Amino acid sequence: GAVVSQHPSWVICKSGTSVKIECRSLDFQATTMFWYRQFPKQSLMLMATSNEGSKATYEQGVEKDKFLINHASLTLSTLTVTSAHPEDSSFYICSAAPLTGGHGELFFGEGSRLTVL
Amino acid sequence: QKEVEQDPGPLSVPEGAIVSLNCTYSNSAFQYFMWYRQYSRKGPELLMYTYSSGNKEDGRFTAQVDKSSKYISLFIRDSQPSDSATYLCAMRTGGKLIFGQGTELSVKP
Repeated sequence: GAVVSQHPSWVICKSGTSVKIECRSLDFQATTMFWYRQFPKQSLMLMATSNEGSKATYEQGVEKDKFLINHASLTLSTLTVTSAHPEDSSFYICSAAPLTGGHGELFFGEGSRLTVL
Repeated sequence: QKEVEQDPGPLSVPEGAIVSLNCTYSNSAFQYFMWYRQYSRKGPELLMYTYSSGNKEDGRFTAQVDKSSKYISLFIRDSQPSDSATYLCAMRTGGKLIFGQGTELSVKP
């Protein structure tokens, strides 16, 4: 299947700092990528939809200024957690759908585990 | 009521057993139905994908969709310890993918 790469896979940061997570589609192009958040033993919660060349669409309750999303190209989307706090510690996962072909499948990255001290 | 309901388990079965995992949903607009497998600390891996009522088989896995009842199932035959993971159902309409809570499965040797 298609490959989606996330980096970093694991990051620890101090409270108040900002952290950037990258999501890349390695062998296909995607106009749309999705960012999810997952707490332990819970399901994936959609945070926002990242659209190439335009502003992201955020789900209700997700702070736009806290979680900055940039979709600079058809293969790269970034999520920046600004002024991170311990409650932002979570597993962040991105997904993308191939621009052409397929039937709407979404492929996921390996996830990025953020720990805020 | 959640849009997608899934029993979180945990579910424990002996090796070789047939496993049945289920989800119900309330939004009749869902068009695509997927099952993902997620190992601990990893991203979800797409297992099965369907977009119509009926059965779809892939090796030991069979996905079943009943749109009239708003019910989907995943069957795993001859389960193996390596199948131990969390299984998430997911449904999509338009661009959004909505996940069930995930069922934690443990297959004991």
